Amino acid sequence: AQRVTQPEKLLSVFKGAPVELKCNYSYSGSPELFWYVQYSRQRLQLLLRHISRESIKGFTADLNKGETSFHLKKPFAQEEDSAMYYCAFLIKAAGNKLTFGGGTRVLVKP
Amino acid sequence: DGGITQSPKYLFRKEGQNVTLSCEQNLNHDAMYWYRQDPGQGLRLIYYSQIVNDFQKGDIAEGYSVSREKKESFPLTVTSAQKNPTAFYLCASSISRGWYNEQFFGPGTRLTVL
Repeated sequence: AQRVTQPEKLLSVFKGAPVELKCNYSYSGSPELFWYVQYSRQRLQLLLRHISRESIKGFTADLNKGETSFHLKKPFAQEEDSAMYYCAFLIKAAGNKLTFGGGTRVLVKP
Repeated sequence: DGGITQSPKYLFRKEGQNVTLSCEQNLNHDAMYWYRQDPGQGLRLIYYSQIVNDFQKGDIAEGYSVSREKKESFPLTVTSAQKNPTAFYLCASSISRGWYNEQFFGPGTRLTVL
């Protein structure tokens, strides 16, 4: 079955420390992978997508097809990074449906 | 913000009642989606529609129904058959142009069954 796993429900780090959110997926093909973020009292929004190979707000994520992972990393966490983060993958052949992981709450302490 | 609106923000329902959640978008997107968000479970797809007058069941469609009579609107009805309807409901629409795919989300409706 197609699935996205985010093993950490909560990550608590100090400001300036590195943060890594883990995401593993199960799919035999080549999905498109995304990270979505939900800040307090804001809408869920796209943070970055693997196909763009971009860095957004200091975050990067590398697709590792061998390990079927798409971990999100930031070398120096900021307080404004505190939010809920969701990893998701999309399969075009399945009507562009997104499958989400359970989410990781990041708390950056001052 | 803007583009996708959901109403109401909060909704209370008595057991045994059907209730309809509104979702409207003015982004001219063809595809629209309904998700349910529960703590620790992420977002789960209820129904989606790729085009007007067509929709498909998602992963947890039981106890829900939808319609797509207009491109801009995709209302979700939570029926009395839904065993655990108290949740946060998110609507989304998406654009797909070649390699580019992105879903845009509404602000959500929190449904509480009393």
